[in-house]
Amino acid sequence: ILNVEQSPQSLHVQEGDSTNFTCSFPSSNFYALHWYRWETAKSPEALFVMTLNGDEKKKGRISATLNTKEGYSYLYIKGSQPEDSATYLCAYNSGGSNYKLTFGKGTLLTVNP
Amino acid sequence: NAGVTQTPKFRVLKTGQSMTLLCAQDMNHEYMYWYRQDPGMGLRLIHYSVGEGTTAKGEVPDGYNVSRLKKQNFLLGLESAAPSQTSVYFCASSRDLNQPQHFGDGTRLSIL
Repeated sequence: ILNVEQSPQSLHVQEGDSTNFTCSFPSSNFYALHWYRWETAKSPEALFVMTLNGDEKKKGRISATLNTKEGYSYLYIKGSQPEDSATYLCAYNSGGSNYKLTFGKGTLLTVNP
Repeated sequence: NAGVTQTPKFRVLKTGQSMTLLCAQDMNHEYMYWYRQDPGMGLRLIHYSVGEGTTAKGEVPDGYNVSRLKKQNFLLGLESAAPSQTSVYFCASSRDLNQPQHFGDGTRLSIL
């Protein structure tokens, strides 16, 4: 069983605050780590896919880092805006004969104006 | 620029009825997936396919069947619908596991 844990489960921040969430995954085998943004009543949209230890990716005010040796990834949002309110999912693949992504349950972010 | 298209978008069934959900992608992706979304459970994988003519079981396959006769289409079937299958179903496709999955808009299925 491949466990992907995300923390916190939910958080509320004020507009303009910067915030970050954590995704933990097994460090024994690694192929890829995905981050998705999922707005209510919509479908998940990909933010980043990272494959190398030490990878850092950035898209606008959102960035992510990856540590495959210790099995975690951080997602950072700088200067949160109300439109950032969504559930942020991470998903892990261990490679080899595993052709699936294992998703965490997500972090629900609410940004108050 | 269709991407991943799911049909239908909504459906109400009676217990015991059968139906097929269609997922079509126009990106020539090899990998296709069916997930269900339930409150507090996140996304759970039902079945997946790594290429035309292949299918495999995911985390929650019971009560569902799938087929991938054409590369662009991945069908999810419910032979005898049960109220426990009331959910939102998402289809996704990707070029590889180190590439992002592209999701359809979802199918909201209610079984009475």
